[in-house]
Amino acid sequence: EDQVTQSPEALRLQEGESSSLNCSYTVSGLRGLFWYRQDPGKGPEFLFTLYSAGEEKEKERLKATLTKKESFLHITAPKPEDSATYLCAVLRADTGNQFYFGTGTSLTVIP
Amino acid sequence: NAGVTQTPKFQVLKTGQSMTLQCAQDMNHEYMSWYRQDPGMGLRLIHYSVGAGITDQGEVPNGYNVSRSTTEDFPLRLLSAAPSQTSVYFCASSQSPGQGGEKLFFGSGTQLSVL
Repeated sequence: EDQVTQSPEALRLQEGESSSLNCSYTVSGLRGLFWYRQDPGKGPEFLFTLYSAGEEKEKERLKATLTKKESFLHITAPKPEDSATYLCAVLRADTGNQFYFGTGTSLTVIP
Repeated sequence: NAGVTQTPKFQVLKTGQSMTLQCAQDMNHEYMSWYRQDPGMGLRLIHYSVGAGITDQGEVPNGYNVSRSTTEDFPLRLLSAAPSQTSVYFCASSQSPGQGGEKLFFGSGTQLSVL
């Protein structure tokens, strides 16, 4: 069964147009939820880790939040350099060494 | 800082051939892992290791072998390549998951085509 579902699959924004990416998860016993950024032809790059509902993390124009069922990656006033695929992953408490990734959201920011 | 180094970057194989994808890290990480990334499927865990001499299977281990003789290296072996193994392969390392060190560092990937 799907453990991590990301939506939308693709998102096109005008520069400066804020939006949110969604990551919903069905695992019980969440140990951690992770956000990564992946540029074309490169490996994913770590952005945030969230451990408990209500937690928030920020970095420049990005803010990640976590509830008991989902996480959001909010992008405020995006710039073209924010264009990338954003990946969500979970680490389950019962299989503490295995990460489960979503299929990602491809973000394009148009100047 | 080199981080996680994967070789080769590109490889073309014929069905039935074998090969080894190399992965090395210089961060003294205990945890290393291999993923494959396919369109619409996301990253899927093949094998992982929590330390030298210890390996375990992930979601999609069939057709792949691993070993971990040193902390630094974690090669992935394709025993008899099949077209279904055409994919982009990523190696990733971290401090030990479950002990607060779950941030994964990824290599730049190996694009493998099996004809």
